[in-house]
Amino acid sequence: DAMVIQNPRYQVTQFGKPVTLSCSQTLNHNVMYWYQQKSSQAPKLLFHYYDKDFNNEADTPDNFQSRRPNTSFCFLDIRSPGLGDAAMYLCATSRDGGPSEKLFFGSGTQLSVL
Amino acid sequence: RKEVEQDPGPFNVPEGATVAFNCTYSNSASQSFFWYRQDCRKEPKLLMSVYSSGNEDGRFTAQLNRASQYISLLIRDSKLSDSATYLCVVKSTDKLIFGTGTRLQVFP
Repeated sequence: DAMVIQNPRYQVTQFGKPVTLSCSQTLNHNVMYWYQQKSSQAPKLLFHYYDKDFNNEADTPDNFQSRRPNTSFCFLDIRSPGLGDAAMYLCATSRDGGPSEKLFFGSGTQLSVL
Repeated sequence: RKEVEQDPGPFNVPEGATVAFNCTYSNSASQSFFWYRQDCRKEPKLLMSVYSSGNEDGRFTAQLNRASQYISLLIRDSKLSDSATYLCVVKSTDKLIFGTGTRLQVFP
């Protein structure tokens, strides 16, 4: 049974048209992460929530925003997608973000920008 | 210098071969270390954690050398199903830093 669910699996949007990716979890984990992974590159952390506390990475563009309305759901909003934002977007959770905790990943959303 | 560096490969090996991957990290204060496996267009999945004393899980052996700041993964008796990208992952402060991965292709 999927524990971290991302929808949709594939998303196509137009240049400049806002898009929202969603993630939900049934694990009741405190921490939720959004990673961006471009082809043949490492997953890159965009931001994460510890409960309701939002932590933005210093080099995450302002074009990327996130919302976590409750424990189970987290959204990634791309306000004006550019061609360079085409990537796999991975949502992950961990219980408390402790040093040895594993991450539970969703299956990702592959975003294409036309 | 990248925080986590890996040889991208690909490593092309026959079934039954033993193959080893290395990874180096730059932050000496890093706390935890992992190997993740990622299949094409799929999410990363935890393969194993890496402990200071070294650890083994079936055909997979992980080693950590803190003095030299590198981590290794050894795969014995390679199977076709081992073909994937292997990501070295290091936890520093409160976040995981991923390497770009080493691609392994096992052929019959």
